[in-house]
Amino acid sequence: AQKITQTQPGMFVQEKEAVTLDCTYDTSDPSYGLFWYKQPSSGEMIFLIYQGSYDQQNATEGRYSLNFQKARKSANLVISASQLGDSAMYFCAMRPWDSNYQLIWGAGTKLIIKP
Amino acid sequence: DGGITQSPKYLFRKEGQNVTLSCEQNLNHDAMYWYRQDPGQGLRLIYYSQIVNDFQKGDIAEGYSVSREKKESFPLTVTSAQKNPTAFYLCASREDGRKNQPQHFGDGTRLSIL
Repeated sequence: AQKITQTQPGMFVQEKEAVTLDCTYDTSDPSYGLFWYKQPSSGEMIFLIYQGSYDQQNATEGRYSLNFQKARKSANLVISASQLGDSAMYFCAMRPWDSNYQLIWGAGTKLIIKP
Repeated sequence: DGGITQSPKYLFRKEGQNVTLSCEQNLNHDAMYWYRQDPGQGLRLIYYSQIVNDFQKGDIAEGYSVSREKKESFPLTVTSAQKNPTAFYLCASREDGRKNQPQHFGDGTRLSIL
């Protein structure tokens, strides 16, 4: 069965440091997509970054980048120069090959940035 | 501004009562979704709709119903058959076409039992 695993239930990071949030996935699909979302305490889900399985380069979006290691089936989110506003839940999700519509979600990592 | 509007923000249900959660989008997206989130957990798919007048069950559809009479609207009814409805409910929509299109979310509705 296809699955997303986020092994870090919670993390504390000092402000201005870089942080890596882990995401591993299990699929035998030839093609798939990986998404990261941020959920602040207010509840809304905010799209951060996307990585396609056949993309030649790791995705970057401002302070967010994806450390995509296809052979290891990992898609870790890296946040550079963390800010207090980065404190939130972070979710990794995978779009299977045969679906344009559905996502498989991880359980999330709670990130707390310390001043 | 384009976006997804969920209402109400908070909702209380009495025993044996059906309640309806509203979701409206003005993004002109074809696909819409309903998710349930329990404390400390990820999202679980309840229902999704790819087109008007059509919808499919997700992983946890029992005790829920939906309709899609208009492209902009995808209301979710939590029926009395759902014995544990207390959760955070998120509605999302997605532009059809390229597979890298993300789902966009509303602000959610928190449902509690009275």
